Amino acid sequence: AQRVTQPEKLLSVFKGAPVELKCNYSYSGSPELFWYVQYSRQRLQLLLRHISRESIKGFTADLNKGETSFHLKKPFAQEEDSAMYYCALRGSASKIIFGSGTRLSIRP
Amino acid sequence: DVKVTQSSRYLVKRTGEKVFLECVQDMDHENMFWYRQDPGLGLRLIYFSYDVKMKEKGDIPEGYSVSREKKERFSLILESASTNQTSMYLCASSLRTSGSRYNEQFFGPGTRLTVL
Repeated sequence: AQRVTQPEKLLSVFKGAPVELKCNYSYSGSPELFWYVQYSRQRLQLLLRHISRESIKGFTADLNKGETSFHLKKPFAQEEDSAMYYCALRGSASKIIFGSGTRLSIRP
Repeated sequence: DVKVTQSSRYLVKRTGEKVFLECVQDMDHENMFWYRQDPGLGLRLIYFSYDVKMKEKGDIPEGYSVSREKKERFSLILESASTNQTSMYLCASSLRTSGSRYNEQFFGPGTRLTVL
C-alpha cells in the first residue's frame, strides 16, 4: 500500500533551535517524495523535492530508503518558518499522496 | 505565474442542497485535482482529471461528482450536501506528467464550505 505518515501533528521549537519534521513512507517502487508548505493565509505550495537535492529557505530533506524516511530539517529555526508542512509521495501517474501534516510553531 | 482561482472563499449551504465549487486555471495545464483538507487527515484526493471530459476517482469520491467541459475549468459538485462534507476544498492543477518527470501541482486559495 502507498502511504505517507507524519507522526507529529504539532511541533513547537524555539527560534534558533534545530527543526526536524518526520516523514515515513510506504511504497513498493522507487519513491519520489516532496515537502509542501502552507503559511498562514497563503496557498499550499511546493517547498522541495528529493530528486532536486536542494536547500530551500534553509530546509533540506534526505531520502533514506533503508528507513523509508524523508525527514525535513533546518539547523536554525526562524519565526517565519511557522506553517503547516505536508510530506507527499508520488503515486501512480499524476497523483500524489499527502501525509496528515505537521504544524510547526516557532516560539520567539 | 500560475494562477488557480476558486469561485468562493467561504460558502454556507444547507443539508440536501446541490453545491457547485468552481476552479479555473490560466496556465493551460492538462491535469486538475480536487482535494479536501481536514485537520489531522491532511489532503485527500476526491477526483482528478487529466484532460477535457476525462475524470478519475480519487480516494474519497463518494458523495461528489466532477465536470470538466473546458481545459481551464474543473467543477466539483455535491449532489446533496451533508454535514460531513463541511471542509476546506482545494483545487490544484499541473502539467501532464511525462515519463518519470513529475510536474508540480499549483493550488488555489481554497473554499471553506460549511453545511448546516
